[in-house]
Amino acid sequence: AQKITQTQPGMFVQEKEAVTLDCTYDTSDPSYGLFWYKQPSSGEMIFLIYQGSYDQQNATEGRYSLNFQKARKSANLVISASQLGDSAMYFCAMRDDYSNYQLIWGAGTKLIIKP
Amino acid sequence: DTAVSQTPKYLVTQMGNDKSIKCEQNLGHDTMYWYKQDSKKFLKIMFSYNNKELIINETVPNRFSPKSPDKAHLNLHINSLELGDSAVYFCASSQNPWEGAPGSDPFLAKNIQYFGAGTRLSVL
Repeated sequence: AQKITQTQPGMFVQEKEAVTLDCTYDTSDPSYGLFWYKQPSSGEMIFLIYQGSYDQQNATEGRYSLNFQKARKSANLVISASQLGDSAMYFCAMRDDYSNYQLIWGAGTKLIIKP
Repeated sequence: DTAVSQTPKYLVTQMGNDKSIKCEQNLGHDTMYWYKQDSKKFLKIMFSYNNKELIINETVPNRFSPKSPDKAHLNLHINSLELGDSAVYFCASSQNPWEGAPGSDPFLAKNIQYFGAGTRLSVL
């Protein structure tokens, strides 16, 4: 069965440092998509970045980049130059293209940026 | 101009009551979803609709009934509320994942889901 694993329940990082949030996935399908979402304390879910299984390049969106290692089935989120406003829960999700394209979600990582 | 809006944001009610949560999206998307986020922040898909047609119906008590009057709206009605229904409920929408751009491979559709702000339901 498809599965997403986020092994870091919580992380503390000093402001302005880079941070890597881990995500590994389990699928035997050739086609899938990987997403990262941010959930600040206010509660909304904010889409950050997407990586398709056929994409050759790692996705980047501003300070966010996705370190996609297909053979290792990992899709880590890298946030460069962290800011206090980056403190939030971060969720990794995988689109299951063989089950109505539904998203399979990880348990999340709570990131706290220290000033 | 909010893309996916759901109301109310907070809902406090007694056990046994019936309540509804409304969701509207102005993104022109064909597909809408309801998720439940429990106290441990775990997200679980409940339903998805594509062009008003039910696509995903996970193992959810039949006290929960989604209704899609048109493709821009997906409401969630809950009958006979129980303590265990207390959670945050999210509505989301996406482009139709079953249709790519003309000439494109549908499997390459991103299907990015955009979420509403959530409805925190507390059953007392």
